[in-house]
Amino acid sequence: ELKVEQNPLFLSMQEGKNYTIYCNYSTTSDRLYWYRQDPGKSLESLFVLLSNGAVKQEGRLMASLDTKARLSTLHITAAVHDLSATYFCAVDMEREYGNKLVFGAGTILRVKS
Amino acid sequence: EPEVTQTPSHQVTQMGQEVILRCVPISNHLYFYWYRQILGQKVEFLVSFYNNEISEKSEIFDDQFSVERPDGSNFTLKIRSTKLEDSAMYFCASSEQVWVAFFGQGTRLTVV
Repeated sequence: ELKVEQNPLFLSMQEGKNYTIYCNYSTTSDRLYWYRQDPGKSLESLFVLLSNGAVKQEGRLMASLDTKARLSTLHITAAVHDLSATYFCAVDMEREYGNKLVFGAGTILRVKS
Repeated sequence: EPEVTQTPSHQVTQMGQEVILRCVPISNHLYFYWYRQILGQKVEFLVSFYNNEISEKSEIFDDQFSVERPDGSNFTLKIRSTKLEDSAMYFCASSEQVWVAFFGQGTRLTVV
């Protein structure tokens, strides 16, 4: 059974600081997604990583994927308050018909001014 | 931009009652999914649906649950006899290909 582990589960950081969220998973997969969720809201797709070595950046967030290490990282650069949210990684268990995302537990990020 | 829409946004129901959660997937998508998120917990896969039949379901998706695509646009999740532990946010998702699922805004189900 695929296990997806995120750490840390809670992150409180000062504005302007950098930090990295880690996502480890237990079986082979070439597809990994990062989502953002605001309280009571839906899942907003941030990044889709589809191959080993994939790196994507959007604003202050950068995601990477190392399929050999079964590790993805979400790096936050110079955090701002608006980034406060819960961040989930999700590994795609490819299927013949459709896919199946297995989510990590989520990282609650609080950026303090 | 096309989006997945879900109704209602919040449903309160008595334990033992049947509920139907509705979803309108993106129109050219072929694969449909339901996920749920118990408050404060991670998102869990319930079921995937393709070509008018279930392609995979999780152990959570027991006989109390069913899915249907009653017409060309709607995709529904029915819970026959709700339990307190069914209280959660239920997300519908769809995808055109076998990846990149787009999620709806969710239906918060509260069983009292």
